[in-house]
Amino acid sequence: DAKTTQPPSMDCAEGRAANLPCNHSTISGNEYVYWYRQIHSQGPQYIIHGLKNNETNEMASLIITEDRKSSTLILPHATLRDTAVYYCIVRPSNFGNEKLTFGTGTRLTIIP
Amino acid sequence: GAVVSQHPSWVICKSGTSVKIECRSLDFQATTMFWYRQFPKQSLMLMATSNEGSKATYEQGVEKDKFLINHASLTLSTLTVTSAHPEDSSFYICSARDQGGPSSYEQYFGPGTRLTVT
Repeated sequence: DAKTTQPPSMDCAEGRAANLPCNHSTISGNEYVYWYRQIHSQGPQYIIHGLKNNETNEMASLIITEDRKSSTLILPHATLRDTAVYYCIVRPSNFGNEKLTFGTGTRLTIIP
Repeated sequence: GAVVSQHPSWVICKSGTSVKIECRSLDFQATTMFWYRQFPKQSLMLMATSNEGSKATYEQGVEKDKFLINHASLTLSTLTVTSAHPEDSSFYICSARDQGGPSSYEQYFGPGTRLTVT
């Protein structure tokens, strides 16, 4: 049973910020929001994760709403290499429960 | 950073034969590895969880006698597709948990193995 909802596809112009939304309205208090991406014919790549505070790393920023029912992944300056399927995953924080359930994700296409 | 490799990256085999796929954690130890399968234009589906030194745990609907998993060391897990059929053709991806990393429950994914059964 899917716990997240993402748009199936999005386009973004090269050099612009790509904002990818994710709804997780049934998220529990101990669940993190994780983002992975999968470039064609490769394994998934970890991007970022967060619990309730906004997070930023060298790849992206993660904005989580105050009620934690939705989040947005931001790629600040999209390049052609960012074309991929992006997966938003809700995952319990308790150690040992490690299954990652992948939904259908958002296919992001960066347009030159 | 944590690197996971898979071998082979692609393989073609005849129907009825068996194929072994290796998953290695190159710079960390992994007591737990995961095997996923991905059909074209579909998402990743977890097949099984592989634990070093013990039997794998299979997801519902995955035949354990067909997909044999062996996690013999802290850096190697193997998936053997036995008596392969064309419907087993898929992209097989493993991931490994870095038990000693700063976030010891993070999973790192391999590059995947494309299996084609003719």
